[in-house]
Amino acid sequence: SAVISQKPSRDICQRGTSLTIQCQVDSQVTMMFWYRQQPGQSLTLIATANQGSEATYESGFVIDKFPISRPNLTFSTLTVSNMSPEDSSIYLCSAGTDYEQYFGPGTRLTVT
Amino acid sequence: DAKTTQPPSMDCAEGRAANLPCNHSTISGNEYVYWYRQIHSQGPQYIIHGLKNNETNEMASLIITEDRKSSTLILPHATLRDTAVYYCIVSVAGNQGGKLIFGQGTELSVKP
Repeated sequence: SAVISQKPSRDICQRGTSLTIQCQVDSQVTMMFWYRQQPGQSLTLIATANQGSEATYESGFVIDKFPISRPNLTFSTLTVSNMSPEDSSIYLCSAGTDYEQYFGPGTRLTVT
Repeated sequence: DAKTTQPPSMDCAEGRAANLPCNHSTISGNEYVYWYRQIHSQGPQYIIHGLKNNETNEMASLIITEDRKSSTLILPHATLRDTAVYYCIVSVAGNQGGKLIFGQGTELSVKP
């Protein structure tokens, strides 16, 4: 198994600003992903974080809004740029190997 | 990715077996059935996965029909701590580019 930690755990931000969320895994993993979970909803996959190359984004998500970095096998960041109240959500990082994915506790973001 | 169909909610008495069904009639030959659950305010937790054989681990059992078009997750002795949203997902393995696309899941309420 893998233990995932995220920073910050929560934040309140003003519209128009950006927030970078960090995800750290306690062991080397092949896959890392970023999800968004809006209030009362299921999880939506934002992108696959690829080590050393550009992330692969799902339909409806773009790099300019959600830039992602993954400099090594255990660390990734997601930036939520030019925030609006609609970006208020929980953002979750996950990591795994061939079959199992492990999820972080999430970052609860409120945009005012 | 193949889609799944799950009942939106189920109840189960504490100590009884919880049987959660999932339909995945368009599953491909190389796609696995994965089950995750999300307890309120936590990140999703991996439960079990299978390809075509029935699987059992310390958390649950997974029964997959012979035609692979449906499956059932069994929690043998449900406790109050098993109250959560349970997600059935079909996907290829991670080393083949698999990713988890979450549906709405089944909200299981375990009652005393």
